[in-house]
Parts: sequence; C-alpha cells; structure tokens
Amino acid sequence: EDKVVQSPLSLVVHEGDTVTLNCSYEVTNFRSLLWYKQEKKAPTFLFMLTSSGIEKKSGRLSSILDKKELSSILNITATQTGDSAIYLCALDNYGQNFVFGPGTRLSVLP
Amino acid sequence: EPEVTQTPSHQVTQMGQEVILRCVPISNHLYFYWYRQILGQKVEFLVSFYNNEISEKSEIFDDQFSVERPDGSNFTLKIRSTKLEDSAMYFCASSVDLTRGVEAFFGQGTRLTVV
Repeated sequence: EDKVVQSPLSLVVHEGDTVTLNCSYEVTNFRSLLWYKQEKKAPTFLFMLTSSGIEKKSGRLSSILDKKELSSILNITATQTGDSAIYLCALDNYGQNFVFGPGTRLSVLP
Repeated sequence: EPEVTQTPSHQVTQMGQEVILRCVPISNHLYFYWYRQILGQKVEFLVSFYNNEISEKSEIFDDQFSVERPDGSNFTLKIRSTKLEDSAMYFCASSVDLTRGVEAFFGQGTRLTVV
C-alpha cells in the first residue's frame, strides 16, 4: 500500500528561524510529489516535484525531491508568524487521487 | 483567480439524516474529488470522478455515500443516514487533467457536524 510519512509531526520555532520539513514515501508508481499548506481550511498548493535534484522556489519557500532516497524536503527561511500552518505532503501515484501524509504542524512564535 | 467553491461552509445534522454537500469545481477542470479530514487527522481520499462517472473510490466510500454531477457546474456528495463518525471537514478538489500529473485545487471545505 502506498504510504507518505512526514516528520516532524509538530514544530515550534521563532520568527526568523529556518525550518526543514521532511516527507518520505513508499509507492509502487511514482509520478509526482506535492506540497500543500493548510491554514484554517483548504490545502493550498505550494509545489509539485517530479524530477530529482531540481529545486523549486517560491519566495522564502523551496523544495527538492530525492527519488533515490524516496523523500522530499520543504525549506522555509526567515519564518514569519504567517507561515504557521500544517504542511501536507501528497503523492500522485498515477492513481485517480492523491495520497496525503499526516502533515507537519508548524507554529512560528513572534 | 478561479477557485473551487463549496457550500455550505458548516452543516449540523442529526444522526440518521441525509446531507448533500455541494461543490462548484473550476470551470475548465475535468477531474473532481472528495476528500475528508476528521479533526486532528490526515486528509483522506474518498472518491474521484471523471467523465460523469466514478473513476476511483476508497474503502471509506461505501454505500452510504454517492456523488453526482447534476448539471455542468455542480458536483455533489450525498451522505445517507449520517453517523456520528461522519463528522469531519469535507473538501472538494478539481484538477485539469490528472493523467498528465497536475496539482489539484481544493475548496474551502464543508465542516459537517453530526449530532
């Protein structure tokens, strides 16, 4: 059964810190890995990664995929209180849906 | 910017009642999904829908659940005879074309509370 694991499950940092969130997966057929940010309600799309070693960047957020290690990291530099959210990793396994991990709850304190 | 819209945002229903959750996917999207998230737990897939039929469903999506696209814009999830454990946030999502590997866009969710 395809599986997505995220770590840590919970993280508390102070504004200005840099954080690294981890996602690892087991999958029969990998197509892409996606990162979403979930604040109060809907997950909002951050990145889609399909190729190993190519960093995707958006402002202070960046992410990279390592297909050899079956993992991905999401980095957030110079964190702000507005970054507080649950960060979800999801797998597109060529199925008709995405497999979500449990999420990392990030709390950024002022 | 186009978005997936869901109504209502919050629904309270009595155990045993039927509920219909409504979604309007993004207009040029072809694939539609329902996910649910029980409070404090992970997002779980329920069902995907393409070309007016279910393309995949999870074990959670049993005979109690059904989906429909009654017209060109709405996509609904019906839960018959609701149970307490159906209380969750239900998310609708849509994507342009899952066959090429693209992201899904999520609606804001409907919080269903069964009492």
